[in-house]
Amino acid sequence: KAGVTQTPRYLIKTRGQQVTLSCSPISGHRSVSWYQQTPGQGLQFLFEYFSETQRNKGNFPGRFSGRQFSNSRSEMNVSTLELGDSALYLCASSGGEVQNTEAFFGQGTRLTVV
Amino acid sequence: AQSVAQPEDQVNVAEGNPLTVKCTYSVSGNPYLFWYVQYPNRGLQFLLKYITGDNLVKGSYGFEAEFNKSQTSFHLKKPSALVSDSALYFCAVREPSGGYNKLIFGAGTRLAVHP
Repeated sequence: KAGVTQTPRYLIKTRGQQVTLSCSPISGHRSVSWYQQTPGQGLQFLFEYFSETQRNKGNFPGRFSGRQFSNSRSEMNVSTLELGDSALYLCASSGGEVQNTEAFFGQGTRLTVV
Repeated sequence: AQSVAQPEDQVNVAEGNPLTVKCTYSVSGNPYLFWYVQYPNRGLQFLLKYITGDNLVKGSYGFEAEFNKSQTSFHLKKPSALVSDSALYFCAVREPSGGYNKLIFGAGTRLAVHP
C-alpha cells in the first residue's frame, strides 16, 4: 500500500506570494490533517478535512486555507506569505471514522520564504 | 485545554542500555495517546498507541510505553537501545470526543544513542 504522498518536497517562495501544497492520503483514508513544524513552535495543528468538509481547525490566520477533493486528496494554500511561514508542512491521513486509529504522515513539504 | 509535556529536550544513552523518554499529558476524559519518531528531513513514523486496556503497550522496533493514569504519564521505553534509535521522538494526545483527528504534540525529545 502506498503511503502518504506530499508534493512538492521543497519550495522557495518570496514574501507576499502564495503557495499551494498537495497531499495524497493512503488509499481508503478519508481524513487528512495538516501540521506546521517549526523549531520555535514545534508541531502545530492547522486543520483537518474529512469527506471534503473541514472538521477541525487550529489557531492560524485566515491566510492558511485548505480543501479536500472527492478522491480525498487535499491541498493547503497559504496566501501573502510571510518570513515566519517558513516551515516543514506535514500531512497526515487516517481512516477517520473512529478516533482510535493512528495517523500516518507524509515526508512533508519544506517551505522557505525569502 | 489539552496539552502534552516532554520534560527533556535530549536524552543520552549508551548502546545496549535501556532507554526512557518521558511524556505527561493533560486532557479531559480518557485520552488517546501516541508516540511518533522523526528522522532528519523525514515525516513522522508511528510507533505505538494507547487507547484502552493494558497499561503496557508494545509497538514497532522493540519500543513499548507504559500508561499511568494517576500520574498522567505515558513514558516510552526500550530495553536495549541501538545507535539507529537516535532520532526525535514526539508524544501526542487526541481527545476521545470532539477532537476527531487533531493531535496535540509535545515539544519533542532528541534521543542520542552512543556506541
